[in-house]
Amino acid sequence: AQTVTQSQPEMSVQEAETVTLSCTYDTSESDYYLFWYKQPPSRQMILVIRQEAYKQQNATENRFSVNFQKAAKSFSLKISDSQLGDAAMYFCAYSFSFSGNTPLVFGKGTRLSVIA
Amino acid sequence: SQTIHQWPATLVQPVGSPLSLECTVEGTSNPNLYWYRQAAGRGLQLLFYSVGIGQISSEVPQNLSASRPQDRQFILSSKKLLLSDSGFYLCAWTGRRYGYTFGSGTRLTVV
Repeated sequence: AQTVTQSQPEMSVQEAETVTLSCTYDTSESDYYLFWYKQPPSRQMILVIRQEAYKQQNATENRFSVNFQKAAKSFSLKISDSQLGDAAMYFCAYSFSFSGNTPLVFGKGTRLSVIA
Repeated sequence: SQTIHQWPATLVQPVGSPLSLECTVEGTSNPNLYWYRQAAGRGLQLLFYSVGIGQISSEVPQNLSASRPQDRQFILSSKKLLLSDSGFYLCAWTGRRYGYTFGSGTRLTVV
């Protein structure tokens, strides 16, 4: 079975600085999808960024970028120029398909605090 | 456009009482539907998922059940709630060409 591990229960970063959240996963599949979700205090799940395993290029969305290391099964999230609004729980997730009938498998999350 | 509705937003129920949480999707057909639970300070645990009417897959055997009486309706139920059922329940859907979209969640407190 696929598993997702986030080894950092909590992280903190100074406003305007850069922080990296770690994620590792285990799968025997060669093609799959990886996601980072943000859950603010409202608890709404917000998609931050998505990576297709067949793409070698790391995904980027404005201040958010990933470092995808397929061989190492590592998928870290880098947040640049951190803002107070970035404070939230961040979940790494895996899925065999983008819109198919396979559920997302989540890590346990990393709580990010942003210090003004 | 596609939208997902989940209700109620909050619920306080006594131990032993029944439960019914509802999730509906608009603007699409034959969505894949999911129920997740998030205990306090923890990650999301998949409870049930459905790829079609009447088709329910259970990931966690417990006193919860799910049903899909209509194509875009997914219901989470319990006959008798336990204290351990407290948590935040999220419904989600996926469809062809659409990734995972989550509802706004239900905060359940069993007292």
